Amino acid sequence: KQEVTQIPAALSVPEGENLVLNCSFTDSAIYNLQWFRQDPGKGLTSLLLIQSSQREQTSGRLNASLDKSSGRSTLYIAASQPGDSATYLCAVRNSGGYQKVTFGIGTKLQVIP
Amino acid sequence: GAGVSQSPRYKVAKRGQDVALRCDPISGHVSLFWYQQALGQGPEFLTYFQNEAQLDKSGLPSDRFFAERPEGSVSTLKIQRTQQEDSAVYLCASSLGRLAWADSYEQYFGPGTRLTVT
Repeated sequence: KQEVTQIPAALSVPEGENLVLNCSFTDSAIYNLQWFRQDPGKGLTSLLLIQSSQREQTSGRLNASLDKSSGRSTLYIAASQPGDSATYLCAVRNSGGYQKVTFGIGTKLQVIP
Repeated sequence: GAGVSQSPRYKVAKRGQDVALRCDPISGHVSLFWYQQALGQGPEFLTYFQNEAQLDKSGLPSDRFFAERPEGSVSTLKIQRTQQEDSAVYLCASSLGRLAWADSYEQYFGPGTRLTVT
C-alpha cells in the first residue's frame, strides 16, 4: 500500500526566505506526482505536476523535483511571500491499476511579513 | 468553461439522516474522483469513475456510502444513516484522461462540501 509522508508538518518563515518542502513515498511505481496548495476552507489548487519520466518542473517561483527511484520529491519556493501561506499537499498517482491517488497530510506554511 | 463545482458547500445533518452531495465536473472530463478529507488530514480516496462506470470503489468506508454517475457527467455521493465519524470535507476532482495505464493528466478539484454530523 502506497504511503506518502510530508516533512515538516508545519513551517514558519520570514518573508523573503527560500524554503524546501519534502515529500516521500514508499512505492516508486508511480505515474506522476502532483503538488497542491490548499487554503483554509477551500479546495485544492494544482501547482505542479511531474510525470514519472521527468525530474523537475518549474512555475514562477516554484520548482518541484522528483527522484522516483528513491521515492522523494521536493517543492522549492523562492523568495517566499505572505500570500504563499497555505497548506501544501503532495499526491502520487499509483501505477498498476486505475487512477488511485494517495495524498500526504500536508505541510502548513506560514510566511511572516 | 468553469471549474469543478460542488453543492452544497456546507451540510449539517443529524445522526441517522441520509445526505446527497453533488459534483459537477469540468465539461468533457472523463474521469471523476471522490475524496474524504478529515480535519488536519490529507484527502483519502473514496471512489473513481471513468465516464459512467465506477471502476474503483475500494476507498468507500462502509456500505452506507454510495456513489453514482449515471450519464457520465454529474456525480452524486450519497451517505445513508450518517454517523459522527462521517464529518469531513468531501472533495470531488475531475481529469481529462481516458486510459488509466497511459494517462498522466492532472486532477482539478472542486471547493468541497463540508459535512457536519451532529
